[in-house]
Amino acid sequence: RKEVEQDPGPFNVPEGATVAFNCTYSNSASQSFFWYRQDCRKEPKLLMSVYSSGNEDGRFTAQLNRASQYISLLIRDSKLSDSATYLCVVRRGSQGNLIFGKGTKLSVKP
Amino acid sequence: DTEVTQTPKHLVMGMTNKKSLKCEQHMGHRAMYWYKQKAKKPPELMFVYSYEKLSINESVPSRFSPECPNSSLLNLHLHALQPEDSALYLCASSQLEIGNQPQHFGDGTRLSIL
Repeated sequence: RKEVEQDPGPFNVPEGATVAFNCTYSNSASQSFFWYRQDCRKEPKLLMSVYSSGNEDGRFTAQLNRASQYISLLIRDSKLSDSATYLCVVRRGSQGNLIFGKGTKLSVKP
Repeated sequence: DTEVTQTPKHLVMGMTNKKSLKCEQHMGHRAMYWYKQKAKKPPELMFVYSYEKLSINESVPSRFSPECPNSSLLNLHLHALQPEDSALYLCASSQLEIGNQPQHFGDGTRLSIL
């Protein structure tokens, strides 16, 4: 089983739609969780850290369920500019490497 | 705009060449990283420097040689690379290697080996 698994995608949604991405991780010692977005042929950019209580940043909401080892990202009112690959990233322990999921591609259509 | 600057943006080199990739950050971060990313794959960690000392080497072949001259700079020296080394090379930094700080990426060097 891969250490970080994400929905394979691609997700093709119309503008204004709400879309949710899921991610599971296998190492229960994982302590830090992030969502990054990566545009085609660009570097990954931090979208948001994910906290145990859940957190929101504008149209984006991240949730963490430690018991189920599950992370989610919800995007409301999708914009064309949200089209990108979304990477679920987990830090193994407090001093571990970042482990990247394979990413989920989102295409928002007019 | 990225606060981690990488040069060059693109590099084409032959298998016998020697070249270097450079990375610079002025955020006061004490951990710096090199990643390799192939098309349609996630980034793969190569090296971690913490307080200018090599902390992690993910079994990277010796034709890749990292160097951290000071807390703001990270180099990756390349020699006798193979065609399969063609990829996007990403530098990243974080406040510390430990803890829950995220990493911030440079925009990468796209490397092609002829």
